[in-house]
Amino acid sequence: GAGVSQSPSNKVTEKGKDVELRCDPISGHTALYWYRQSLGQGLEFLIYFQGNSAPDKSGLPSDRFSAERTGGSVSTLTIQRTQQEDSAVYLCASSLVGSSYNEQFFGPGTRLTVL
Amino acid sequence: AQRVTQPEKLLSVFKGAPVELKCNYSYSGSPELFWYVQYSRQRLQLLLRHISRESIKGFTADLNKGETSFHLKKPFAQEEDSAMYYCALSGGGGSSNTGKLIFGQGTTLQVKP
Repeated sequence: GAGVSQSPSNKVTEKGKDVELRCDPISGHTALYWYRQSLGQGLEFLIYFQGNSAPDKSGLPSDRFSAERTGGSVSTLTIQRTQQEDSAVYLCASSLVGSSYNEQFFGPGTRLTVL
Repeated sequence: AQRVTQPEKLLSVFKGAPVELKCNYSYSGSPELFWYVQYSRQRLQLLLRHISRESIKGFTADLNKGETSFHLKKPFAQEEDSAMYYCALSGGGGSSNTGKLIFGQGTTLQVKP
């Protein structure tokens, strides 16, 4: 079956521009997570969705970062006024429900480069 | 504070040699521990988790609560084991268990022929 998909696979933008990253989770998965993979920081948690609500946004690094999820499915991560330190691979994962007992399935990631 | 530490950035061994990738954690409570693997040009995937007590691709990991460690071991490394390995923890039972993963910095395993 189809796994988690993310688009675009690569995004190059100029400092100060806004970007939107998209995640399509596995159908039927109610939990959705965003992580960031960067050279200096490793893999960091950003935000967790259960359905359309985000009970844990503790990993968002600044108020330039926001995310939403609609219809209990697709999620969009938006970064406003991008900075060079935002350059990273942004990973999305989904699981049946939000619990450590349920395996998370990861997407291929979006590589963001801020010039 | 919740933290996962993988002290080795790179571990290089010869094919057939034993492998141990170290992982230590700090967490107030009883976390669930995982190992994730990312092969070259592939997506991150679950290798094994403590609660399953399973062996995958010859790898095992034992949770040592006294030493707060969850080291990954394999008795005989294969070239196809070359990859990036991440140790991760997630909150155990209770309402705080959202499944969010706290990852270590990762260890690149290089198995030479």
